[in-house]
Amino acid sequence: GAGVSQSPSNKVTEKGKDVELRCDPISGHTALYWYRQSLGQGLEFLIYFQGNSAPDKSGLPSDRFSAERTGGSVSTLTIQRTQQEDSAVYLCASRLEAGQYYNEQFFGPGTRLTVL
Amino acid sequence: KNQVEQSPQSLIILEGKNCTLQCNYTVSPFSNLRWYKQDTGRGPVSLTIMTFSENTKSNGRYTATLDADTKQSSLHITASQLSDSASYICVVRANSNSGYALNFGKGTSLLVTP
Repeated sequence: GAGVSQSPSNKVTEKGKDVELRCDPISGHTALYWYRQSLGQGLEFLIYFQGNSAPDKSGLPSDRFSAERTGGSVSTLTIQRTQQEDSAVYLCASRLEAGQYYNEQFFGPGTRLTVL
Repeated sequence: KNQVEQSPQSLIILEGKNCTLQCNYTVSPFSNLRWYKQDTGRGPVSLTIMTFSENTKSNGRYTATLDADTKQSSLHITASQLSDSASYICVVRANSNSGYALNFGKGTSLLVTP
């Protein structure tokens, strides 16, 4: 079956512009995660959605970052007034049931964001 | 402070050789530990998962070990292949009923050369 998909695969933008990154999780997965991976760095947690619960936004680095998940499926990560330090690969992952500790996250291929 | 430390940061080995990657963690209470493989330009893919009671788990040429007492895990790759070149990430899940509970290491970058 289809895995997690993300679009666009690459995004180049100018400093100060807003960008939207999209994630289509695996159908039926109730949990969705956004991560940021900078060059040579580990994955940095950004935000986590679980069903209809309020999202865990504890990883968002600033109020320029926001995310929503519509209808419990597709998610959009929005970065406003982009800065050069926002340049990174943004990874999305989904998981079948967050309450089952052994269920693994399935990652998308990521969106490579470059801010000029 | 990162609760999951991996070593070495990078490693170069010859094709056919074995290697061992290390993961030390301080996450508590512990739920489980996963090793992921991330190929360049791709998302991470799970290799193994280990819970508190498991000491060893294999997935083909990959064997993970866990010592929950010393809070150490290793990933051993046998008879390496060029396709093993990737970043290997150790992820430890805390035993939590709510919120985000994953702790990621920064990964070990492995290069297998002919």
